Amino acid sequence: DSGVTQTPKHLITATGQRVTLRCSPRSGDLSVYWYQQSLDQGLQFLIQYYNGEERAKGNILERFSAQQFPDLHSELNLSSLELGDSALYFCASSTEQGNEQFFGPGTRLTVL
Amino acid sequence: AQSVTQPDIHITVSEGASLELRCNYSYGATPYLFWYVQSPGQGLQLLLKYFSGDTLVQGIKGFEAEFKRSQSSFNLRKPSVHWSDAAEYFCAVVPLYSGAGSYQLTFGKGTKLSVIP
Repeated sequence: DSGVTQTPKHLITATGQRVTLRCSPRSGDLSVYWYQQSLDQGLQFLIQYYNGEERAKGNILERFSAQQFPDLHSELNLSSLELGDSALYFCASSTEQGNEQFFGPGTRLTVL
Repeated sequence: AQSVTQPDIHITVSEGASLELRCNYSYGATPYLFWYVQSPGQGLQLLLKYFSGDTLVQGIKGFEAEFKRSQSSFNLRKPSVHWSDAAEYFCAVVPLYSGAGSYQLTFGKGTKLSVIP
């Protein structure tokens, strides 16, 4: 158990819908990273938040957004969902030094 | 182009045999290097990491990796594989230019390891 929690574990929705994925980092970790794992693209970095502020952006679509709240949990919002958004979404947290990321179990999103 | 390459998509070994999983990177400067393991239905677990110093790195679960600058490689090894090692293994890097305070990982495509009892 990494100490990072993600909810829900599974999510099934329809095209065009909007969903929110939630991540709670390890106690004391200020950084949260979001990654997408799909069959065709592999594991890709989406976005990083540090203590409530966006710090780095990767291959994140404009239809996707994220935020980190004062209690340091983070949410990834996916809107206007397409079939190709079906994937496993991971969040990871790290300490301020940042040289090791601890991954949550992931949320499996299926878009029908 | 900057990339992380794991040439082997799938490897099958017998239990007790030795294992080497290959990883090559293409970056201007040596990035930070990592190996992660993903068991079915699980998240990613860090096996080991290399930032600098001794080029032979020891990790958890009996794994080690050797950094070879001349070959831009960071291969993962285990002398004797156990059935519980069956999983998918990812090599990952953090480029040095990621920016202050950002350690975003760039992953290879992964190598799936099957173990024959």
